[in-house]
Amino acid sequence: DTGVSQDPRHKITKRGQNVTFRCDPISEHNRLYWYRQTLGQGPEFLTYFQNEAQLEKSRLLSDRFSAERPKGSFSTLEIQRTEQGDSAMYLCASSLLQGPYGYTFGSGTRLTVV
Amino acid sequence: TQLLEQSPQFLSIQEGENLTVYCNSSSVFSSLQWYRQEPGEGPVLLVTVVTGGEVKKLKRLTFQFGDARKDSSLHITAAQPGDTGLYLCAGAGVTGGGNKLTFGTGTQLKVEL
Repeated sequence: DTGVSQDPRHKITKRGQNVTFRCDPISEHNRLYWYRQTLGQGPEFLTYFQNEAQLEKSRLLSDRFSAERPKGSFSTLEIQRTEQGDSAMYLCASSLLQGPYGYTFGSGTRLTVV
Repeated sequence: TQLLEQSPQFLSIQEGENLTVYCNSSSVFSSLQWYRQEPGEGPVLLVTVVTGGEVKKLKRLTFQFGDARKDSSLHITAAQPGDTGLYLCAGAGVTGGGNKLTFGTGTQLKVEL
């Protein structure tokens, strides 16, 4: 297993465009999380899945953000009509279902909206 | 909302010095984790503490979970340049939440030769 993979690593887009990010978690991990991080700050929770079910979505997440995890495997995060304030590192992590297990993070997708 | 405040926010020290980073909250956590993050990469798990008062050691790093499970500290002995990075504490709530972690505000450590 090669860990959690995120694609792309970097994305530059014009304001108003839609972008989609992909995350491939560790195959045995039932839970998948999306976080957003700005420079020098701690990651901020966006949403999480248990298998294919999206169980929680942050109230900070606007309707322009949507995430899916079809078949409980990889996940996608889409941002519609991007704004400059969306510029951040988008991190995906996965973990086992039970117990206080730590997350395994991917390397993130750095989004820059110009 | 569970908030985790870390202090100090920034720390710049010389190689060989000792340091302590603090992670404080008014909320109780079922477990607390520490991560280290390098620029352009995702955080990497260092340790998980579960029991109040628990102390764990990882080479030159010592982690402690507060007795009331509301706070934690990370102590580094004889810091080295390779310890440079963003240190993050993260807590899992006691009321379920699917092991969702709330991350602290981060401590940026720079160790110079």
